Amino acid sequence: AQSVTQLGSHVSVSEGALVLLRCNYSSSVPPYLFWYVQYPNQGLQLLLKYTSAATLVKGINGFEAEFKKSETSFHLTKPSAHMSDAAEYFCAVSEPHSGGGNKLTFGTGTQLKVEL
Amino acid sequence: EPEVTQTPSHQVTQMGQEVILRCVPISNHLYFYWYRQILGQKVEFLVSFYNNEISEKSEIFDDQFSVERPDGSNFTLKIRSTKLEDSAMYFCASSIDRVAFFGQGTRLTVV
Repeated sequence: AQSVTQLGSHVSVSEGALVLLRCNYSSSVPPYLFWYVQYPNQGLQLLLKYTSAATLVKGINGFEAEFKKSETSFHLTKPSAHMSDAAEYFCAVSEPHSGGGNKLTFGTGTQLKVEL
Repeated sequence: EPEVTQTPSHQVTQMGQEVILRCVPISNHLYFYWYRQILGQKVEFLVSFYNNEISEKSEIFDDQFSVERPDGSNFTLKIRSTKLEDSAMYFCASSIDRVAFFGQGTRLTVV
């Protein structure tokens, strides 16, 4: 069964500082991996995805993530945090199945706070 | 840009009542999903739907729940007799090429 672990339920950074949100996954087959962002009282917005192509993937708003199979990790980074990045971030894993759909298993989320 | 739309955004219902949550998936997507997020908890998969039938469901998705695609655009989740513990944010999603796009959610409050 697939699973996701997000270390750190709350992360606080200063504006302009590096953002690093950690995600480790478990999957019995090569996974698809995703980061979603949820702003207060809003839905889940796709930030970026890894679907077995390049291991370094770039997303929206300057975020990127690197798939490391040896470490079973897919950490999310952004070189310079902005106040507007304050939100909850969810890592999710999907095991592709023959039917073509993808059931997502989410991590518990990391609340990112950006301080002046 | 195409998006998944959900209605209503908020729904308050009395325990034991039936509710129907509605979703319009992105038009060229073939897979549809419902997820829920109980306050303070993680997002949980409920059910996936493809070719007019359920393709997978979780243990949460018991006989009180049902899904339907009544026409070419809508995708609904029905909870037959709501319980207090059904209070949550319910997200609809649709996917293409195994990438899911989510709606804004319906906040269901059972009183």
